[in-house]
Amino acid sequence: DGGITQSPKYLFRKEGQNVTLSCEQNLNHDAMYWYRQDPGQGLRLIYYSQIVNDFQKGDIAEGYSVSREKKESFPLTVTSAQKNPTAFYLCASRHQESTEAFFGQGTRLTVV
Amino acid sequence: GDSVTQMEGPVTLSEEAFLTINCTYTATGYPSLFWYVQYPGEGLQLLLKATKADDKGSNKGFEATYRKETTSFHLEKGSVQVSDSAVYFCALSDRGATNKLIFGTGTLLAVQP
Repeated sequence: DGGITQSPKYLFRKEGQNVTLSCEQNLNHDAMYWYRQDPGQGLRLIYYSQIVNDFQKGDIAEGYSVSREKKESFPLTVTSAQKNPTAFYLCASRHQESTEAFFGQGTRLTVV
Repeated sequence: GDSVTQMEGPVTLSEEAFLTINCTYTATGYPSLFWYVQYPGEGLQLLLKATKADDKGSNKGFEATYRKETTSFHLEKGSVQVSDSAVYFCALSDRGATNKLIFGTGTLLAVQP
């Protein structure tokens, strides 16, 4: 089945540690996106990538980093510089010719 | 910049009641418009979309019409069920180089039996 997979579903980390969230898609989509969701704030764009080896900052990129070495994969690293990392993180992908985005199931990150 | 405003929740309805969730947008171009639904602990699923003015998107009894004159895309359903309880997000996609999705803050719908 084609789809977009995020792992793990739940992640716990100690304050000050970097952590990487995985996002893989087998839909042959060109564009991939990372969003952060907090209660009452909707979804905010962190980073996006339209082609391999290229990515752009979204609205809240500070404290995050990404890479796009393969078309299928767009991992997000939450660094220790991110002041409030506890949130629900959603990855999405879209074909270049389509307006519709597909979402993964999300990763809930809790930093203690 | 482009933005989406949707009515705040929570919206609490009895089963079989009529649902309206308001959504208005601000955009410089001619965006595509979407409604996504999120069930507890899950990602977002596309519910319906419309790509140009006067288009009506529909799915699972939900409908929304792209109104350019009022810059609105209100979600409606004639008779809600308990299983419709979820968070609903209105979103737009700009047609520029970035093709980003911009979301509203979401509206929690709770349907009681």
